Amino acid sequence: EAQVTQNPRYLITVTGKKLTVTCSQNMNHEYMSWYRQDPGLGLRQIYYSMNVEVTDKGDVPEGYKVSRKEKRNFPLILESPSPNQTSLYFCASSPQGALNTEAFFGQGTRLTVV
Amino acid sequence: GENVEQHPSTLSVQEGDSAVIKCTYSDSASNYFPWYKQELGKGPQLIIDIRSNVGEKKDQRIAVTLNKTAKHFSLHITETQPEDSAVYFCAASDTGGFKTIFGAGTRLFVKA
Repeated sequence: EAQVTQNPRYLITVTGKKLTVTCSQNMNHEYMSWYRQDPGLGLRQIYYSMNVEVTDKGDVPEGYKVSRKEKRNFPLILESPSPNQTSLYFCASSPQGALNTEAFFGQGTRLTVV
Repeated sequence: GENVEQHPSTLSVQEGDSAVIKCTYSDSASNYFPWYKQELGKGPQLIIDIRSNVGEKKDQRIAVTLNKTAKHFSLHITETQPEDSAVYFCAASDTGGFKTIFGAGTRLFVKA
């Protein structure tokens, strides 16, 4: 089944404790992206990747890191999480990076930083 | 910076009525406008999209219109059903397709 898989689905952590949210897609998509969803703000893009080893900042990249060592995986790293990073996170992938096409979203990761 | 404004934030309709959600974008270089539906506990899913060289697109009960001059686009759902209840997001992508700006979302309630 074609899908984008995020793990974990739920995470509660403490301020300053490094964490990684994994994202994997099995559709051989070139383009992958991370979003955070907050009430009243919709989805805001954190980082995106056009292909292996090619990443760029979205609109809200502060406090986040990403890597794209393999085509299928695009982990989101929070080196020192803070309470303002409490949010619902979505990973998405698209089949063509240079052309506008549908994004396929994962199920989401609800992160709480206390 | 670029933004997409979406209205209304909440919409309640009676089953069988029509629902209209409107979005305005600021970046004149945007040329791809998808609409996503998000059901509770799930990620957004594309329901319809439109490109800048088209003024209107229809798929069964769902239609989208685009006015590039005014920089706004709208989602129309006819004959609404309870399963249409969800959060709907509009979005606009830049020319390269790498950065997508989403609206804040509209929570649609369809009352049976």
